[in-house]
Amino acid sequence: QVQLVESGGDLVKPGGSLRLSCAASGFTFNDYYVGWIRQAPGKGLEWISYISSSGGAMYYADSVKGRFSISRDNTKKSVDLQMNSLGPEDTGIYYCARDYDSSGYDAFDVWGQGTMVTVSS
Amino acid sequence: SYELTQPPSVSVSPGQTASITCSGDKLGDKYVSWYQQKPGQSPVLVIYEDNRRPSGIPERFSGSTSGNTATLTISGTQPLDEADYYCQAWDSRTAVFGGGTKLTVL
Repeated sequence: QVQLVESGGDLVKPGGSLRLSCAASGFTFNDYYVGWIRQAPGKGLEWISYISSSGGAMYYADSVKGRFSISRDNTKKSVDLQMNSLGPEDTGIYYCARDYDSSGYDAFDVWGQGTMVTVSS
Repeated sequence: SYELTQPPSVSVSPGQTASITCSGDKLGDKYVSWYQQKPGQSPVLVIYEDNRRPSGIPERFSGSTSGNTATLTISGTQPLDEADYYCQAWDSRTAVFGGGTKLTVL
């Protein structure tokens, strides 16, 4: 079935780095844009990054620009999020999600189960 | 930066109609999506492109837009519809989520 599975969440100290991965299955991965959305404890959803189907276009929220980097490997059907200079404000559940429209910039129709990132000393 | 505004909470009695609004500048010029999130679960898409329903989403969920406001309507609300609901739109290659609305069915 169509599925996204995140991994890589962990407890990390402020200033540290972490790399999250999102593994896709059940659909033609290289046809779809993918985004990362996070949710701080008890808070709402925050879009943080997005990558085109080819990987040629990448976008970031101002809150993570310059610290986070998104990439994808279509042969491995995965999208990674490299997170550097982490601070307590980066704590939360990180979801990857597929864009419904192969042209992008539409709705997120498939979501992973999320992976927890905790930034604390 | 672009913002979408939702009421923090909406209450509805079982069987009645719930309406959740989402407002933003020139929102009528953009496609709006709506997501349902229950505690401890990932968000689920319930409406996309303003008023289209993904397969598997009950017909009681509908969406509309008028001017700068989008509305998610749940007709014949059931207790299992109690959840947080988020609107989302794109602005300048940036996805924006509303702050979320907690729907209470009581």
